[in-house]
Amino acid sequence: GENVEQHPSTLSVQEGDSAVIKCTYSDSASNYFPWYKQELGKRPQLIIDIRSNVGEKKDQRIAVTLNKTAKHFSLHITETQPEDSAVYFCAANQRPAGTASKLTFGTGTRLQVTL
Amino acid sequence: DTGVSQDPRHKITKRGQNVTFRCDPISEHNRLYWYRQTLGQGPEFLTYFQNEAQLEKSRLLSDRFSAERPKGSFSTLEIQRTEQGDSAMYLCASSLRTQADQPQHFGDGTRLSIL
Repeated sequence: GENVEQHPSTLSVQEGDSAVIKCTYSDSASNYFPWYKQELGKRPQLIIDIRSNVGEKKDQRIAVTLNKTAKHFSLHITETQPEDSAVYFCAANQRPAGTASKLTFGTGTRLQVTL
Repeated sequence: DTGVSQDPRHKITKRGQNVTFRCDPISEHNRLYWYRQTLGQGPEFLTYFQNEAQLEKSRLLSDRFSAERPKGSFSTLEIQRTEQGDSAMYLCASSLRTQADQPQHFGDGTRLSIL
């Protein structure tokens, strides 16, 4: 099945700096890659997603890049703010033939934005 | 759109007891997923419904676990003869069925603690 690895596990940046989180996946059939933000005690919230037919997607201060050949994708947050502090999870879909897809998640990155 | 709702938010029970959780998806969503999340980890897929049909179950789901979605709307997840290892956050998510994968939206989860 799909295996998703995520690095780093913790990341501390100063307010205003950029943050980059990287993920790799194993199943070349995966074609959908969402990113979720989870604050302490709250639900995972989708912040951005990308499909395999594009290499980059941007939404204000957040961008995601995808390299299908290398099977890795990255989350980029620019001009970080204290409210960006949370745990971020990457995920990849897994769609065996004849079944519906499910998500396999990475182990998460705890981002801390310091003043 | 009131979002995915889960009930209860917290459940504390003694080992060996049965517990049941409920999930109400976003009203127009016909796909419903159950995930389990333990501390410091990403959500792990448990099972999935499309309308009332349970289409896939993870090998993580022992025979003590059962899920239903009788009318294709809300779903229940039951755990029989609970064990210490069942302590976790149980998350429900829903999405629309289209040809391409659509974003999965999560509820706040039910936190299960086994004494």
